[in-house]
Amino acid sequence: AQSVTQLGSHVSVSEGALVLLRCNYSSSVPPYLFWYVQYPNQGLQLLLKYTSAATLVKGINGFEAEFKKSETSFHLTKPSAHMSDAAEYFCAVTFSSGSARQLTFGSGTQLTVLP
Amino acid sequence: EAGVTQFPSHSVIEKGQTVTLRCDPISGHDNLYWYRRVMGKEIKFLLHFVKESKQDESGMPNNRFLAERTGGTYSTLKVQPAELEDSGVYFCASSPSLRQAFNTEAFFGQGTRLTVV
Repeated sequence: AQSVTQLGSHVSVSEGALVLLRCNYSSSVPPYLFWYVQYPNQGLQLLLKYTSAATLVKGINGFEAEFKKSETSFHLTKPSAHMSDAAEYFCAVTFSSGSARQLTFGSGTQLTVLP
Repeated sequence: EAGVTQFPSHSVIEKGQTVTLRCDPISGHDNLYWYRRVMGKEIKFLLHFVKESKQDESGMPNNRFLAERTGGTYSTLKVQPAELEDSGVYFCASSPSLRQAFNTEAFFGQGTRLTVV
């Protein structure tokens, strides 16, 4: 069975500080990994995705994530937090199996950015 | 181009009543997914349509939930009768044909917040 674990349901950082949101997955087959963000009163928006090409993936709004197979991780980072980054972030995975198209999500991490 | 749209955005109903949620996917997207997030928990897959056919409905909680996709366009998710534990946010997502790219991301709607009282 596939699963995704996001460590820390709430993360607070100061404006300008590094953002690090953790995501670990478990899988017996190569995964495709995604980070989605949900701003208040909005839907889920794709930040970035890993699709077995480059292991360091750059996304929108200055976010990036690195796929580390040995650690089964796909942590999300941003060098300098902005107030506008306050949102809930979801790590998700799908697999290369032909029958498994749906996303499996982590439980989400609420990011608070302090002035 | 319009994104995935969901109606209504909020719904409050009494236990035992019926509610129908609607999702309009991005035009041309064969794949349509329903997900649900119960408060405080992860977003969970409910089912997957390819055009008008149910590809996978393994996530549907029970037979009080009925999903349809008329003519491969919009989809409805009916809950009848609703129970308190059905409260949550219901998300719809769509993606292009799998023939094009397996790893094409899904585009999500804003969700419908359902409250059963």
